[in-house]
Amino acid sequence: QQQVKQSPQSLIVQKGGISIINCAYENTAFDYFPWYQQFPGKGPALLIAIRPDVSEKKEGRFTISFNKSAKQFSLHIMDSQPGDSATYFCAATRTPSGNTPLVFGKGTRLSVIA
Amino acid sequence: SAVISQKPSRDICQRGTSLTIQCQVDSQVTMMFWYRQQPGQSLTLIATANQGSEATYESGFVIDKFPISRPNLTFSTLTVSNMSPEDSSIYLCSATGGDSYEQYFGPGTRLTVT
Repeated sequence: QQQVKQSPQSLIVQKGGISIINCAYENTAFDYFPWYQQFPGKGPALLIAIRPDVSEKKEGRFTISFNKSAKQFSLHIMDSQPGDSATYFCAATRTPSGNTPLVFGKGTRLSVIA
Repeated sequence: SAVISQKPSRDICQRGTSLTIQCQVDSQVTMMFWYRQQPGQSLTLIATANQGSEATYESGFVIDKFPISRPNLTFSTLTVSNMSPEDSSIYLCSATGGDSYEQYFGPGTRLTVT
């Protein structure tokens, strides 16, 4: 299975700061890159996703930056809040994803402290 | 988006028994997937459940151990057979539907085998 490498494994950020999580992929056929947020005891929730035809996508405090040439993408959480404390997973697939499962990174445990 | 429910939410089972996990989606979906997630770990794909055909299993997972049914476009079951303590994990159902690339997850079933 093609890998998606995610870093860091854990992250501690002060309230109001910027959280940055990075992912790198190998398969150049991947063309859909979602991020999932998972709270303890819950299933992963789709947070934001990007296609490689744009370099950035923003939804509220969450932004994905995408670098196709470097095969890297990152999640930025602006004005991080304690409620953002969760595990974040990046993923990738080639569309139509209905036929191709997502490949997940290993996850980043984010702690936002007051 | 699709809303996915799973039953049971958790169970404690004895070694050698089997448990069937149900996954219900609130709308017709193209593909359904079953994942396993160890506490604090990433998601591992078990199989893709195809409506009207046999499930497609990933390396390391076999039909005799994890039989899957997909009788219609909104429902699937995963059975964990002849359980051992190593099967203790969280089992997650997910789905994609129609023309959407988006994949949504159920809340998971937390299985403990004693």
